[in-house]
Amino acid sequence: GDSVTQMEGPVTLSEEAFLTINCTYTATGYPSLFWYVQYPGEGLQLLLKATKADDKGSNKGFEATYRKETTSFHLEKGSVQVSDSAVYFCALSFFTGGGNKLTFGTGTQLKVEL
Amino acid sequence: DTAVSQTPKYLVTQMGNDKSIKCEQNLGHDTMYWYKQDSKKFLKIMFSYNNKELIINETVPNRFSPKSPDKAHLNLHINSLELGDSAVYFCASSPPGRLLEGAFFGQGTRLTVV
Repeated sequence: GDSVTQMEGPVTLSEEAFLTINCTYTATGYPSLFWYVQYPGEGLQLLLKATKADDKGSNKGFEATYRKETTSFHLEKGSVQVSDSAVYFCALSFFTGGGNKLTFGTGTQLKVEL
Repeated sequence: DTAVSQTPKYLVTQMGNDKSIKCEQNLGHDTMYWYKQDSKKFLKIMFSYNNKELIINETVPNRFSPKSPDKAHLNLHINSLELGDSAVYFCASSPPGRLLEGAFFGQGTRLTVV
């Protein structure tokens, strides 16, 4: 079945450090790919998305590129802030005609310190 | 205006009780979902409805029964609650067709069974 693998956390960085959170997927076709962010005590918010190979999703300084050849969608940010502390989820989705569902990775907790 | 709203936000109840969680979306979406997030933050789909019709029913005990009175509402009723049902339950919605924009999530309902 489809699955998403994320690097394990927690990841602790100093403010202004470079962030990479690895995400790879296993799927039998070409899914849409997403990064969601969950701040403490809140629901999930869509951070960015890519719907086909070589697409780059970007939002709030975060970027991820859909790499079909490596089945990856790594999340990057050049300079993190304390306010970026949250749990980040990589996810994929297929539309099969029978409906959509998001398949999530296990989440990676990011803590940014001053 | 809250796009996807769930009530209650917190629910503490005893084993064996029956409880319901309500969800409403004002985005005009046709598809709604219930996801369960366990204590390790892992998210898994439970159900998906498209225009009041059940589309996805993952392996969920039949103590869980979703009900969609109209396409803007999807409620979750749980009978004979067990300790293992303690989790955060998220409602989500999306437009019909391919999940190009991701799904929009509610704030979650933290269910604690004691």
